[in-house]
Amino acid sequence: DAGVTQSPTHLIKTRGQQVTLRCSPISGHKSVSWYQQVLGQGPQFIFQYYEKEERGRGNFPDRFSARQFPNYSSELNVNALLLGDSALYLCASSLQGSGANVLTFGAGSRLTVL
Amino acid sequence: SQKIEQNSEALNIQEGKTATLTCNYTNYSPAYLQWYRQDPGRGPVFLLLIRENEKEKRKERLKVTFDTTLKQSLFHITASQPADSATYLCALSGGYNKLIFGAGTRLAVHP
Repeated sequence: DAGVTQSPTHLIKTRGQQVTLRCSPISGHKSVSWYQQVLGQGPQFIFQYYEKEERGRGNFPDRFSARQFPNYSSELNVNALLLGDSALYLCASSLQGSGANVLTFGAGSRLTVL
Repeated sequence: SQKIEQNSEALNIQEGKTATLTCNYTNYSPAYLQWYRQDPGRGPVFLLLIRENEKEKRKERLKVTFDTTLKQSLFHITASQPADSATYLCALSGGYNKLIFGAGTRLAVHP
């Protein structure tokens, strides 16, 4: 059974550009969350989606947006990229949208902004 | 504001010894706490979850304690092996599926 898959694995962008990251959750998982992990720090919560609805949003600017599709896959979009957006972007899926759920993370998409 | 602190320095121990990692938090009362392992270039992998009404949880060589009075969790790896070398992340529940992570502690187990 496939785990959480993310694409692309690595990408390089320049300041001001836009990026779209994609995530496919584990089959049967209806919740997808996005986290940003800067080198040397723990993951920071960006968004959570459950049944295609946004359930939570972290302290990130409006340049960050996301959506979840009917098949429960998800996309994270970041507009007007800044150097500080360089990070590992992690997608995690879980069975439910609340409660003591275990998150299964993908390997991440490493974004470098030049 | 909510704050989670983990040992910022790497923990170096000898193979076979017990590794103990600390997670302290302030301005927060989480319903549960989780520990994850992260290897370089990979996503975190879930290890253990402990709820606020549980004092201790065990899984094979792993043990987690949760003291809501001290606002502290301890994570123990007994009979440590070089394969246990990784960064260990403490995460507290923040509502729905939101987890608030600490910066992690890097563990190095030497043969």
